[in-house]
Amino acid sequence: DSGVTQTPKHLITATGQRVTLRCSPRSGDLSVYWYQQSLDQGLQFLIQYYNGEERAKGNILERFSAQQFPDLHSELNLSSLELGDSALYFCASSPSGQGLGYTFGSGTRLTVV
Amino acid sequence: GESVGLHLPTLSVQEGDNSIINCAYSNSASDYFIWYKQESGKGPQFIIDIRSNMDKRQGQRVTVLLNKTVKHLSLQIAATQPGDSAVYFCAETSNSGGYQKVTFGTGTKLQVIP
Repeated sequence: DSGVTQTPKHLITATGQRVTLRCSPRSGDLSVYWYQQSLDQGLQFLIQYYNGEERAKGNILERFSAQQFPDLHSELNLSSLELGDSALYFCASSPSGQGLGYTFGSGTRLTVV
Repeated sequence: GESVGLHLPTLSVQEGDNSIINCAYSNSASDYFIWYKQESGKGPQFIIDIRSNMDKRQGQRVTVLLNKTVKHLSLQIAATQPGDSAVYFCAETSNSGGYQKVTFGTGTKLQVIP
């Protein structure tokens, strides 16, 4: 157990729907990062939050949004889902916003049908 | 733009042999590099890191080599075991607008042949 908790582990939904993925960072970590990993692909950075504020943005679609709450857990919202959104979504946390000491969760596998 | 890439998408190694996984990066300003291991169905797991002021760092059965001249990073695994079978990612970090930007490579799949 890495200490980073992601729920749900698996999610199957239809095109056009909206889903919310949840991440609880490791205790003491202030920064949360979201990554998308498509089949046999690398990790694509989506967005980073640090202590409740958006810190950096990557290749995140406008249909996607995220937030970090006062208790530091984060949610990634995916709307108007398309087949191509099927992927593994990973959350990572680190103590600071410096991108060091990354710890990844076990991911949420999203399947859009 | 900047990118981190891997030379070999799949590497097959006999159990007991040494493995070498390579990574090329293009951002000469990157100052910190990390190797991650991702087993099937799991999230990436930190293996070893190295700062740009070093050219070699050793861990338990793993060694990372950094050649800044040619912007090349490698991960060496000694006496490869079946449990080493996984996808290995390199990552580079660089300062971007005052924040550290982390860029991951595509990954190399290591297959250990018993």
